[in-house]
Amino acid sequence: ETGVTQTPRHLVMGMTNKKSLKCEQHLGHNAMYWYKQSAKKPLELMFVYSLEERVENNSVPSRFSPECPNSSHLFLHLHTLQPEDSALYLCASSQTSGSPGELFFGEGSRLTVL
Amino acid sequence: GQNIDQPTEMTATEGAIVQINCTYQTSGFNGLFWYQQHAGEAPTFLSYNVLDGLEEKGRFSSFLSRSKGYSYLLLKELQMKDSASYLCAAVDSNYQLIWGAGTKLIIKP
Repeated sequence: ETGVTQTPRHLVMGMTNKKSLKCEQHLGHNAMYWYKQSAKKPLELMFVYSLEERVENNSVPSRFSPECPNSSHLFLHLHTLQPEDSALYLCASSQTSGSPGELFFGEGSRLTVL
Repeated sequence: GQNIDQPTEMTATEGAIVQINCTYQTSGFNGLFWYQQHAGEAPTFLSYNVLDGLEEKGRFSSFLSRSKGYSYLLLKELQMKDSASYLCAAVDSNYQLIWGAGTKLIIKP
C-alpha cells in the first residue's frame, strides 16, 4: 500500500455534472489536505482537516465541498464546476496540522472541466 | 504580502552541478521545505531547514540564510532522473506553508 492514494487519477466532467474525488492515507496521520495545482502557479491550499474537523477553508467556492468521514479518508465533492477549475488536485497528509511537519502527497487527480 | 520567488525553469548537463535559488518574504518564519515533483507524480519531501547553514543529504544539499530570506537547493553529479520540478515552501508564523511556483529542471545528456 502506498502512503496516500487518490482516485480517480483522471476525470473529465461537464459543467453540470456532480463527481467526487477520493483520498485515502495509510500512514496513521491526523491531518489531511486538499491542494489545487495549476500550471506554473504555486500550490493553493483549499481545505485542511485535523482529527476529522475542518480547520482551514481558504475562500474556496462552494462548488467544492470537502468531506472527512474519518482520519484516513478525505473526499472532495464537485458540482457545477467551471472550466477554470481544470487542474491537478492533490491530497496530502501529515502527522499534525499545527507544526511544520513533512507533507505526504498523493499522485493527484487530473480534472478537466468541459 | 507573503511571497516566494524561484526561477521558472533551469537547464543543466548530466554529471554537472546545479543550484536552484529561492527567496521568501513571510510573516514570521518557521522553516523552509524543498520538494521534488516528477511529471505526473506526487511531490516528495527533500529537505527542511530552520537554522542557517548547509545541510547535506547525499547528492542533494539545502542552504538557508534567515537574515537574507534566501535558500538554495544544490544538486551534484546530476542524473537524468533528476529532471523534475523543485518546489520551495516557507512556513510562516501561523505554520502555514507559502509555496513557490516551482522550478522545472531539465537535464541534458
